[in-house]
Amino acid sequence: GAVVSQHPSRVICKSGTSVKIECRSLDFQATTMFWYRQFPKQSLMLMATSNEGSKATYEQGVEKDKFLINHASLTLSTLTVTSAHPEDSSFYICSASNPTTPWTALHFGNGTRLTVT
Amino acid sequence: DAKTTQPTSMDCAEGRAANLPCNHSTISGNEYVYWYRQIHSQGPQYIIHGLKNNETNEMASLIITEDRKSSTLILPHATLRDTAVYYCIVSPGPTGANNLFFGTGTRLTVIP
Repeated sequence: GAVVSQHPSRVICKSGTSVKIECRSLDFQATTMFWYRQFPKQSLMLMATSNEGSKATYEQGVEKDKFLINHASLTLSTLTVTSAHPEDSSFYICSASNPTTPWTALHFGNGTRLTVT
Repeated sequence: DAKTTQPTSMDCAEGRAANLPCNHSTISGNEYVYWYRQIHSQGPQYIIHGLKNNETNEMASLIITEDRKSSTLILPHATLRDTAVYYCIVSPGPTGANNLFFGTGTRLTVIP
């Protein structure tokens, strides 16, 4: 079945540095990928929609200059948290759907736990 | 905004059927019911989805009421590994499924 791989699974960085998270669709081409954020004991919140070859669409309240999204190929989207601060510490999850498989559901990566010290 | 209402938590004895309810009284005619679950510190896992007919797969069964205002996810023989948060989501068809709104879900605890 479809698999979405996310890397790294866990990262600790110092305040002010930038962190890049990768999301790959392993056995299908994903023209669209989605980035979610989940704070402890809360549900997933959609941050942005990543479209291959074009600019990402950000949800209200999400700073596009802080959360840089690049979707340069049909199998890879990256999220870069720039100038990270402790309040950016969260669980970041990507997802993708396979456009060639009718009625398919969304497939999620296993998430990246970011801790900013 | 959440379009679904689920109980906050439920317990189920290991080996028994787990029945997780979901209310979606404002569901539109073109919206499907999706169920996902999230085991601690992992990404959500797709379970099942349906439009109006009952559905069954290797993981679970989905029972949708005739008026489509509610549904029940059934795990026929719950195991300890089924302990997770279960999310009921309504969303338009395959393309609309791309943008899923996750509510608070039901935290299912399977008890030995």
